[in-house]
Amino acid sequence: EPEVTQTPSHQVTQMGQEVILRCVPISNHLYFYWYRQILGQKVEFLVSFYNNEISEKSEIFDDQFSVERPDGSNFTLKIRSTKLEDSAMYFCASTTRQESSYEQYFGPGTRLTVT
Amino acid sequence: GNSVTQMEGPVTLSEEAFLTINCTYTATGYPSLFWYVQYPGEGLQLLLKATKADDKGSNKGFEATYRKETTSFHLEKGSVQVSDSAVYFCALAPRGSGTYKYIFGTGTRLKVLA
Repeated sequence: EPEVTQTPSHQVTQMGQEVILRCVPISNHLYFYWYRQILGQKVEFLVSFYNNEISEKSEIFDDQFSVERPDGSNFTLKIRSTKLEDSAMYFCASTTRQESSYEQYFGPGTRLTVT
Repeated sequence: GNSVTQMEGPVTLSEEAFLTINCTYTATGYPSLFWYVQYPGEGLQLLLKATKADDKGSNKGFEATYRKETTSFHLEKGSVQVSDSAVYFCALAPRGSGTYKYIFGTGTRLKVLA
């Protein structure tokens, strides 16, 4: 069964450093998302992406964040200058159609630890 | 706005006990509803879903019915196993409002003891 993959599984970085989290969505999916989960808290939406453009973003997704689909398979989340509060599990998701009834498929997550 | 409220955890049960995890929602229109499960050290896996009122989603012995009148989507299982120990998230996907982001509940941790 096709699945969303994410790399790395765990990333440790120092405050102020740039990080890039990578995702390979399911191959025929067109809509891509990033969510994050701070330890012990709920999963929160960050951004959605379609046709090489951001279609929606949350208040969390400020100028420090960017997303890109550099080729036909990868979908990346970049944090330019990490803060301690960026420490979280980051989930990538994808779906075939952006409709309520179509489930989003989530990757296993990247745990980001900012020290 | 859209929101999901789940019962606080952790929930600790003995093996073969009956499980209910409550989930209620607030939404404009009629969203789709999902239960996701997160096993220790793993990502989010879709457990079941329901896309319209009175739909019942079911998988691996778990069930949830979309109740429009009570805006609820409670998760149930008749006989839990140790392997069901995980965190369970209720989520909604809005419909007809121009947004497609999932709204998640806080998650309920389930611990099943042998």
